[in-house]
Amino acid sequence: SQKIEQNSEALNIQEGKTATLTCNYTNYSPAYLQWYRQDPGRGPVFLLLIRENEKEKRKERLKVTFDTTLKQSLFHITASQPADSATYLCALASGGSQGNLIFGKGTKLSVKP
Amino acid sequence: DAGVIQSPRHEVTEMGQEVTLRCKPISGHNSLFWYRQTMMRGLELLIYFNNNVPIDDSGMPEDRFSAKMPNASFSTLKIQPSEPRDSAVYFCASSLSETGGAIGYTFGSGTRLTVV
Repeated sequence: SQKIEQNSEALNIQEGKTATLTCNYTNYSPAYLQWYRQDPGRGPVFLLLIRENEKEKRKERLKVTFDTTLKQSLFHITASQPADSATYLCALASGGSQGNLIFGKGTKLSVKP
Repeated sequence: DAGVIQSPRHEVTEMGQEVTLRCKPISGHNSLFWYRQTMMRGLELLIYFNNNVPIDDSGMPEDRFSAKMPNASFSTLKIQPSEPRDSAVYFCASSLSETGGAIGYTFGSGTRLTVV
């Protein structure tokens, strides 16, 4: 079955630096991959989706890459701010392009002023 | 739209009692999902519905868990009898499709269940 690994449980960086989070999957390449943000006591919030034929996607200070050869997605936050501190989850469809989403355990990002 | 609405926000119950969690999805969303989140296991899917029909309940831990979706605007997750290992945060999410499509899933704020 498909498995997702987010390499770091926690990442601490200084304000203004670029945060880079990693998501790896083990089996078939999904049709697309999604990233979510989760704040304490709240449900995950959808941020971005990247399709298998897209190498890179940007939204404001966020950038996501998708490498189907490496079976990996990278999530970047440029010019990070303390308000970016949260847990970030990657997710992909359990059946490639079908089925429910399965989620990684997330990476907790802390941005220090 | 008020988003996905879950109730209660917190539930503390004694072992052996019945617990019912409630969810109102976003109007127009065809798919509804129940997830459970713990530190150890992360977000795990319990069951999901498409157009009010249960599609995959393979994540439901045991017969103690049951879920219903009697109409497009309401779903319940019931645990009977509850056990301490059921303590977790339970999330309901809805979307336009089972994979979330271009806009992903919309999650509720969750129900924090504590079974003592």
